[in-house]
Amino acid sequence: EVQLVESGGGLVQPGGSLRLSCAASEFTVSSNYMSWVRQAPGKGLEWVSVIYRDGSSDYADSVKGRFTISRDNSKNTLYLQMNSLTTEDTAMYYCAREYRYDSGSWFDPWGQGTLVTVSS
Amino acid sequence: QSVLTQPPSASGAPGQRVTISCSGSSSNIGAGYDVHWYQQFPGTAPKFVIYGNNNRPSGVPDRFSGSKSGSSASLAITGLQAEDEADYYCQSYDSSLSRSVFGTGTKVTVL
Repeated sequence: EVQLVESGGGLVQPGGSLRLSCAASEFTVSSNYMSWVRQAPGKGLEWVSVIYRDGSSDYADSVKGRFTISRDNSKNTLYLQMNSLTTEDTAMYYCAREYRYDSGSWFDPWGQGTLVTVSS
Repeated sequence: QSVLTQPPSASGAPGQRVTISCSGSSSNIGAGYDVHWYQQFPGTAPKFVIYGNNNRPSGVPDRFSGSKSGSSASLAITGLQAEDEADYYCQSYDSSLSRSVFGTGTKVTVL
C-alpha cells in the first residue's frame, strides 16, 4: 500500500530545533516531488516546502532561511529540519507526494501528520 | 494568508445539495490551472475527493462533483449525508508564487 508515515514531532521551546521524518512505502521518494504542508490548530492548510526530483527545493516565505527539506534515498525518507522555531510554527505537519503537471499539481497520498508544539 | 477564498461554512439537511465556492485570481484558477478538492475529518489528514476540476478518485461517491469557470471553482455535494460533515479545501497552483496554494477551508454541517 502506498503510504507515508511521519515522526519526530513534539514540544520544543521557542528558538529550538526539531527534525521531522517521513518514511515512504511502495513508491520512491527521490522519483517524486515531495512536500510538507502544515496546519495550525483550528486553521487551514499551509504549504511549507517542496523538494524536487533533482534535489532542489523551495520554501514558503514564512519558513525560508529557518527550515531545510532533504531526503535520504537509501532510507526512502523525507526530512524537514526546523530551526529558530517560534510559536507561529505550532502546527500539525503533514508530508505528501505532490503530482505536478502542466495544468497544476495535487497532493496524494498524505501522511497521518506529526504535531509540533512550540511553547515555553 | 490563503490565496484562494472559500466561505467559512455551509450547511444542509440530509438529502439536500450543498455547494462550496473557491475564488481565485488570474495567476491561479483564472490562468487555467486545475482545481482539486480535499475532505478532512477532525484529527485526520486531508484526502482528495475531486482532482482535475471534476474528476472523482475511485471510492469517492458520485454525489461529489466539481466545476470550474473563469477564476472560480465549486464543489457540490448532492444527496447530503451525515458522513459528509467535514472540512473541505480547494487547492490549485499559482504561477506568480510558483507554488501550490490552498483555499481558506469550508466547514460543512449536516443539519
